[in-house]
Amino acid sequence: EAGVAQSPRYKIIEKRQSVAFWCNPISGHATLYWYQQILGQGPKLLIQFQNNGVVDDSQLPKDRFSAERLKGVDSTLKIQPAKLEDSAVYLCASSATRDSKGLNTEAFFGQGTRLTVV
Amino acid sequence: AQSVSQHNHHVILSEAASLELGCNYSYGGTVNLFWYVQYPGQHLQLLLKYFSGDPLVKGIKGFEAEFIKSKFSFNLRKPSVQWSDTAEYFCAVAFSGAGSYQLTFGKGTKLSVIP
Repeated sequence: EAGVAQSPRYKIIEKRQSVAFWCNPISGHATLYWYQQILGQGPKLLIQFQNNGVVDDSQLPKDRFSAERLKGVDSTLKIQPAKLEDSAVYLCASSATRDSKGLNTEAFFGQGTRLTVV
Repeated sequence: AQSVSQHNHHVILSEAASLELGCNYSYGGTVNLFWYVQYPGQHLQLLLKYFSGDPLVKGIKGFEAEFIKSKFSFNLRKPSVQWSDTAEYFCAVAFSGAGSYQLTFGKGTKLSVIP
């Protein structure tokens, strides 16, 4: 089974520039997550999609971050303009809907995109 | 807000020593519990999970964890560590609410195993 694909693996940009990350989840997985992992910390949820709808974006800095999952499959995360503190690994994860009681929350993670803002 | 606490930032053990990593969460409702591992240069991988049933769960590579509901804890254990267990370990909790689950991670515990 193919895993969660992310690109690019690495990105270096100057502050105030824009950047976009792409994620292709595991086929058939309805739920897609974007996490930010700053060095030395655990992943922090930025946004959660269920199919093409947003379930939770309460921790997404909406003044500069945006994300979309238009057809309920691939997703892109954009930062515009970037700040130094956005330097982190951006992780995409996906999980499948399993039963009527709720979601299967076992999430599978991609390799991540390491962003460095200089 | 729901939170997940991991007690140890960095643990250093010799090979064959026993391991226990603590994890506590703050939420009184339904939770699903996970331990993920991140080997150097690799992506997060699931070690084990608890959804319901037997509170003692066994995962891959000889790891196990025990869910103690009264203590809001889900500690990870391994009786005898190996050098290859050197990695960072993350406890994660899925909190239920409004028909969906929010997956929250602890800050991680770095494990260094000395040969």
